[in-house]
Amino acid sequence: GEDVEQSLFLSVREGDSSVINCTYTDSSSTYLYWYKQEPGAGLQLLTYIFSNMDMKQDQRLTVLLNKKDKHLSLRIADTQTGDSAIYFCADSVGGYQKVTFGTGTKLQVIP
Amino acid sequence: DTGVSQDPRHKITKRGQNVTFRCDPISEHNRLYWYRQTLGQGPEFLTYFQNEAQLEKSRLLSDRFSAERPKGSFSTLEIQRTEQGDSAMYLCASGEGTNEKLFFGSGTQLSVL
Repeated sequence: GEDVEQSLFLSVREGDSSVINCTYTDSSSTYLYWYKQEPGAGLQLLTYIFSNMDMKQDQRLTVLLNKKDKHLSLRIADTQTGDSAIYFCADSVGGYQKVTFGTGTKLQVIP
Repeated sequence: DTGVSQDPRHKITKRGQNVTFRCDPISEHNRLYWYRQTLGQGPEFLTYFQNEAQLEKSRLLSDRFSAERPKGSFSTLEIQRTEQGDSAMYLCASGEGTNEKLFFGSGTQLSVL
C-alpha cells in the first residue's frame, strides 16, 4: 500500500478490552494484517482480513474493516499482560503481496 | 518446518566495512522479502524475490546494497562500505505461492560504529 498510520501508544488494565486503530490510504489493498512484535523478536502474524470482508473473529481477537473510510481496528478481549507488545497494522497490494507496515502501536497492559 | 531463520542475530561493524546477512526461508516458500526496521518505526520494504528472480527493489536501497537468491532457496543481503545510518534491524520474510500469509524471521541487528 501507500501509507498506513496508527496511534503510537495505548495503555489498558488487565482484563479490559483493547482497541487498536489504523488507517490506510491505498484503495487497492487486497489484504489487511495485524502483526505483533515483542522486544527483540521478529513479527508474528496475528490475524488478517480480506478486503471484501467487514469483520473477522479469531478467539480473543476481532478485526473490523471499514473499507469506505479505509479504517481497520483490532480488538483484543480480556487483555493479558502477555499481550504487551507493539502491534503493526499492514496492508498488501498486488499479486505478490508486498506488505506495507504502519509505525506500530505500543500496547501496555497494567496488572 | 523450522520457520524463517536469519544469521547472524547481531552484527557490530566499523564504518566502511562490508557485511553480509543470510536468510533461510521456510522450505517450499518461493517468495522472499527483505525489510529494514529502525527504532520506533515499522518495517520498510527493501526488496522482493520470486524464486531466484529479484522482481522489485525499493528506492530506499542504495547502490551499496545488493541481494541475491541464487538457487531460489536462501538469500543474502550485502551492504558495502557501511555507514552509521545503516544501523537497523534487517528482517527477512517468506511466503508460499499466492498465499496471503507472510512469515518473518527474528532479524539481524546491525550496529555500525
